[in-house]
Amino acid sequence: AQSVAQPEDQVNVAEGNPLTVKCTYSVSGNPYLFWYVQYPNRGLQFLLKYITGDNLVKGSYGFEAEFNKSQTSFHLKKPSALVSDSALYFCAVREAGSQGNLIFGKGTKLSVKP
Amino acid sequence: EAQVTQNPRYLITVTGKKLTVTCSQNMNHEYMSWYRQDPGLGLRQIYYSMNVEVTDKGDVPEGYKVSRKEKRNFPLILESPSPNQTSLYFCASSPYGTSGSTNTGELFFGEGSRLTVL
Repeated sequence: AQSVAQPEDQVNVAEGNPLTVKCTYSVSGNPYLFWYVQYPNRGLQFLLKYITGDNLVKGSYGFEAEFNKSQTSFHLKKPSALVSDSALYFCAVREAGSQGNLIFGKGTKLSVKP
Repeated sequence: EAQVTQNPRYLITVTGKKLTVTCSQNMNHEYMSWYRQDPGLGLRQIYYSMNVEVTDKGDVPEGYKVSRKEKRNFPLILESPSPNQTSLYFCASSPYGTSGSTNTGELFFGEGSRLTVL
């Protein structure tokens, strides 16, 4: 069965510092991996995805994520956090080539303080 | 503009009063899905549809119905709402479907419908 774990309910960082939001996954075969962001009172917005190829994926708003197959992880990163990055972040996975649905983690609240 | 539109955005109702939350997408997507979001539980899938006239249960289908008579619309029906259905609901669509075998399954979300059942 597919699953996604986001081990931290909340991540706090100071503006200008690097940030990491963690995600680990479990699928039978190769994964398609996604990060979404949800701002208050808004729907989820797509940030980036890993399908194949380079393990470092760059996305919107300066975010990037690193796919690590051996650790089954797909951590979201940004070199310098902004207050406006404060939001709820969701990791999601689907097994490549399957007819299955996207499976979401429970979300991590990122709080960036000035 | 490509979008997924949900209505109403906010609704307060009473137990047992039937309601429908509409969802429409203008991207000609085959796949559509409904999720509910609750604190500490993340996103849970209610129902999904791979194509017109094809629907299937997600993880938490009890108390909900859906229909997919047209490609663009996927309404969520609560026949007899109860307080435990108070939640934030999201509709999503994707080009992934029965004919989209190479699609990666990326979802496009609506803005959400906040439902309160008293």
